[in-house]
Amino acid sequence: KAGVTQTPRYLIKTRGQQVTLSCSPISGHRSVSWYQQTPGQGLQFLFEYFSETQRNKGNFPGRFSGRQFSNSRSEMNVSTLELGDSALYLCASSPVVLWDLSPEQFFGPGTRLTVL
Amino acid sequence: QQPVQSPQAVILREGEDAVINCSSSKALYSVHWYRQKHGEAPVFLMILLKGGEQKGHEKISASFNEKKQQSSLYLTASQLSYSGTYFCGTSNAGGTSYGKLTFGQGTILTVHP
Repeated sequence: KAGVTQTPRYLIKTRGQQVTLSCSPISGHRSVSWYQQTPGQGLQFLFEYFSETQRNKGNFPGRFSGRQFSNSRSEMNVSTLELGDSALYLCASSPVVLWDLSPEQFFGPGTRLTVL
Repeated sequence: QQPVQSPQAVILREGEDAVINCSSSKALYSVHWYRQKHGEAPVFLMILLKGGEQKGHEKISASFNEKKQQSSLYLTASQLSYSGTYFCGTSNAGGTSYGKLTFGQGTILTVHP
């Protein structure tokens, strides 16, 4: 099976701009989680989508948003970019089964966002 | 609150063993272990679930002490390829976490020839 894919891999933006990142999960996986990774804060959970619905959200400002499409692909959007948004953005896909409350998550290669 | 990993860094020679610990102040449902090499995505290693179930890498072992809310990852007969940063990610008990893992700060493992 193909792994999780993320596009683009690298992105440079300036403050105030907005950005959209894309994630295609492993075939058959219907849950997509997004994380932000920075040297200072480590890996932090942004949100999770399943069946086009956001089921969980981390402690990030409303500038961070996401959505999921019917084919399970997901996008996240960051509006009004700030310097502190520079980070590696990772998405992870999971299989979802009724009896499994904590399925394994498989990460994509990430999108490296640099805000100037 | 994020789990605490110890040690922060480990340096080994090939063939030596290492143990990485992950402790939480909250009641846990599961502990996930990942290894990340520089510039790459975290790679799934293992899940340990409350109740004793484990899923993951055949060559890696780990334990989950539910009373102490602590997990340990055991790396035996280390190889150069084991080098990287190891993260534990936890989900809390008391309901479904819906994809949310809270990660520790990471343990940097370096294996020398």
